[in-house]
Amino acid sequence: QSALTQPASVSASPGQSITISCTGTSSDVGGYNYVSWYQQYPGKAPKLMISDVTKRPSGVSNRFSGSKSGNTASLTISGLQAEDEADYYCCSFTTRSTLVFGGGTKLTVL
Amino acid sequence: QEQLVQSGAEVKKPGASVKVSCKTSGYTFTGYFIHWVRQAPGQGLEWMGWISANSGDTKSPQTLRDFQGRVTLTRDTSISTAYMELSRLTSDDTAVYYCAAVIAGQGHIDYWGQGTLVTVSS
Repeated sequence: QSALTQPASVSASPGQSITISCTGTSSDVGGYNYVSWYQQYPGKAPKLMISDVTKRPSGVSNRFSGSKSGNTASLTISGLQAEDEADYYCCSFTTRSTLVFGGGTKLTVL
Repeated sequence: QEQLVQSGAEVKKPGASVKVSCKTSGYTFTGYFIHWVRQAPGQGLEWMGWISANSGDTKSPQTLRDFQGRVTLTRDTSISTAYMELSRLTSDDTAVYYCAAVIAGQGHIDYWGQGTLVTVSS
């Protein structure tokens, strides 16, 4: 199972919006609405930010949103804040009942 | 409050095995799948497999990866604990190993353990 494809890094200034893409195949991203996104700070465990493509868990800011088109899912963060600087990983359930992660995207808030 | 608490850091020699435990609390253990994910230094997240806390069924990546056949996932429902054993360790297995809980029927990780650093060094 190949990893999902994410950009290695993105950057933007506070207040701006960014979108991180996550490209897979019809066997994972395109096959299910089980795409999730995780935020990870250095030395910490990942934290769920988006589940089932678009659902935001309780406690997660509404500045975070998810979407999907075909085999590509996206995470959008609006109104960037310094605390959003972290690594972000997408993850998808697959047709083989496994999980696959993206390579991760480092978000820098300038 | 749901919690996954993992065993402490380990240092192993090449060729040895390591067994990491993941004790859960705050929810019905058998209603979850426990996944294992590792992260090598400076690298991304790598999924290693899951075990059904209810049935004990397991699933692992179906590719010719380094840990194909080296990972054993087990659980003890009497103490709500899952285990991951990795054998024939090499330096490439140096990583933080996380256990993570997925509600049965769902497709995302709800809860994560704090991580266990496994260092493989001669």
